[in-house]
Amino acid sequence: DSGVTQTPKHLITATGQRVTLRCSPRSGDLSVYWYQQSLDQGLQFLIQYYNGEERAKGNILERFSAQQFPDLHSELNLSSLELGDSALYFCASSVDGTSGVQYFGAGTRLSVL
Amino acid sequence: GIQVEQSPPDLILQEGANSTLRCNFSDSVNNLQWFHQNPWGQLINLFYIPSGTKQNGRLSATTVATERYSLLYISSSQTTDSGVYFCAVERPALIFGKGTTLSVSS
Repeated sequence: DSGVTQTPKHLITATGQRVTLRCSPRSGDLSVYWYQQSLDQGLQFLIQYYNGEERAKGNILERFSAQQFPDLHSELNLSSLELGDSALYFCASSVDGTSGVQYFGAGTRLSVL
Repeated sequence: GIQVEQSPPDLILQEGANSTLRCNFSDSVNNLQWFHQNPWGQLINLFYIPSGTKQNGRLSATTVATERYSLLYISSSQTTDSGVYFCAVERPALIFGKGTTLSVSS
């Protein structure tokens, strides 16, 4: 168990809908990262937060947004969903936002039908 | 941006065999991690290894940062070693390679 908790484990929804993925980092970790794993794109970085503030952005679509709350949990919001958004979404956390081991949650598997 | 290349893309082994997985990266990096993704999709940390050699049981890893590569050694492979092995370089977000898919049969 990595100590990073993601909910839900599975999500099935329809095109055009909006969903929210939740992540609780390991105790003591201030930085949260979101990654997407799809068959065609592989594992790619979406966005990073550190202590409530956005730190870095990767290949995140404009239809996607995220935030980190004062208790350090994070949410990834995906809207106007398309078939191509079907993927495994991972959250990772680390102690600080510049270096160090990143521990991954079990992921949320999103299926858009 | 930085390129991370892993080889071989696929590897099929008999139980008990040894293997070496390679990760090349195109620019200097702060750190490098190796992961195992099991058949259930979970990403498991294996090594955090910016340079040098580390060992954990039957697995060991070596990173030569000056030559921009890392190696993961699996000895006496077991069926439970099957899955996909990823290396990822820290920028500080992780940039992943495409992985090596390992299948170990009994």
